[in-house]
Amino acid sequence: GAVVSQHPSWVICKSGTSVKIECRSLDFQATTMFWYRQFPKQSLMLMATSNEGSKATYEQGVEKDKFLINHASLTLSTLTVTSAHPEDSSFYICSAEQGATLYNEQFFGPGTRLTVL
Amino acid sequence: AQKITQTQPGMFVQEKEAVTLDCTYDTSDQSYGLFWYKQPSSGEMIFLIYQGSYDEQNATEGRYSLNFQKARKSANLVISASQLGDSAMYFCAMRENTGGFKTIFGAGTRLFVKA
Repeated sequence: GAVVSQHPSWVICKSGTSVKIECRSLDFQATTMFWYRQFPKQSLMLMATSNEGSKATYEQGVEKDKFLINHASLTLSTLTVTSAHPEDSSFYICSAEQGATLYNEQFFGPGTRLTVL
Repeated sequence: AQKITQTQPGMFVQEKEAVTLDCTYDTSDQSYGLFWYKQPSSGEMIFLIYQGSYDEQNATEGRYSLNFQKARKSANLVISASQLGDSAMYFCAMRENTGGFKTIFGAGTRLFVKA
């Protein structure tokens, strides 16, 4: 299957700092990328949908000014957690897909574990 | 309201036996897709099986099969001949077009396979 990478795989930062997480599709052009957040022992919660060259669409309750998403190319999307606080500590997972049909398979990145001290 | 419901937080199964993980969903759309993913402790999401809303046959992929009952809006995952490596979290998910395609996940079921 297609490969999606995330960098970094884990990050620890101080409260108040900003953290950028990269999501790359390595062997295909991703027209759409999704960002999910997963708290321990919980499900994946969709945060936003990102299409190349356009503004991300955020889910209800997700602060777009806090979670900045940039999808500058067909192979790269970034999530920046601005002014991170301990409650932002979570597992962040991106996924990417090519095309837009109901039957698309999403390819998931390995996730990034963020710990805010 | 919950769109994907997985009522079993945890399940135990004896090695080599079959197990069914339950999933019900809620949608008013006629066209949608149903997925099952496995998430081991490493955190990666592994695609297992897919069922389209118009598919008349239940999907099968190796030891995985999906018991699709459209009228009941259920899409249970059946794992046959369980192996110790099957111990993981399992998520049911639904993809639909709500002004753009997106996939919503259920709460998950943790499966423990006993030797």
